[in-house]
Amino acid sequence: QKEVEQNSGPLSVPEGAIASLNCTYSDRVSQSFFWYRQYSGKSPELIMSIYSNGDKEDGRFTAQLNKASQYVSLLIRDSQPSDSATYLCAVNKNDMRFGAGTRLTVKP
Amino acid sequence: EAGVVQSPRYKIIEKKQPVAFWCNPISGHNTLYWYRQNLGQGPELLIRYENEEAVDDSQLPKDRFSAERLKGVDSTLKIQPAELGDSAVYLCASSLTTSGFQETQYFGPGTRLLVL
Repeated sequence: QKEVEQNSGPLSVPEGAIASLNCTYSDRVSQSFFWYRQYSGKSPELIMSIYSNGDKEDGRFTAQLNKASQYVSLLIRDSQPSDSATYLCAVNKNDMRFGAGTRLTVKP
Repeated sequence: EAGVVQSPRYKIIEKKQPVAFWCNPISGHNTLYWYRQNLGQGPELLIRYENEEAVDDSQLPKDRFSAERLKGVDSTLKIQPAELGDSAVYLCASSLTTSGFQETQYFGPGTRLLVL
């Protein structure tokens, strides 16, 4: 079992829709959770961090954490073509472990 | 504020040749990370420095990879000799500290290595 698992996609949504990205992790004692966005040929950039159970909202982005289920998600509301990228889930205990990423395409 | 700087951005070498990558972290960031990212995969940690000390190098292939962070600022990652399977993007990241495991890591642009 991989430490951080994501659906590789591609996930395709129409412009204006909600994109839902999911991530599960194996180490129950993981302490902090991050979502990074990576455009093709570019380096990862941080979108959201979340440390406690529940929802955290930042603009069009909402991160959700459920430690009992070992599950993290990212919702993107009003998706835009510029949101088309690979979204990496990262989990930090002693060091950062990344998922393989989900490729999101937002179609105009 | 300047971000993480890496050079070179691209490198093409023949197998068995040596190669070196350089990273300058964000000013004031004590922790520096080297990652390797293969196509279609997430970054994988190679080594983590706290100031000049390598505190986690368990994933670094020590037979051919070496790294240093003299004076606790910029860092160099070296591969000698390079193999075909080393073709990847090498990412450097930095954070203020790792206390509480909540520190955000900021990534540099990466060095794209192609070994022929």
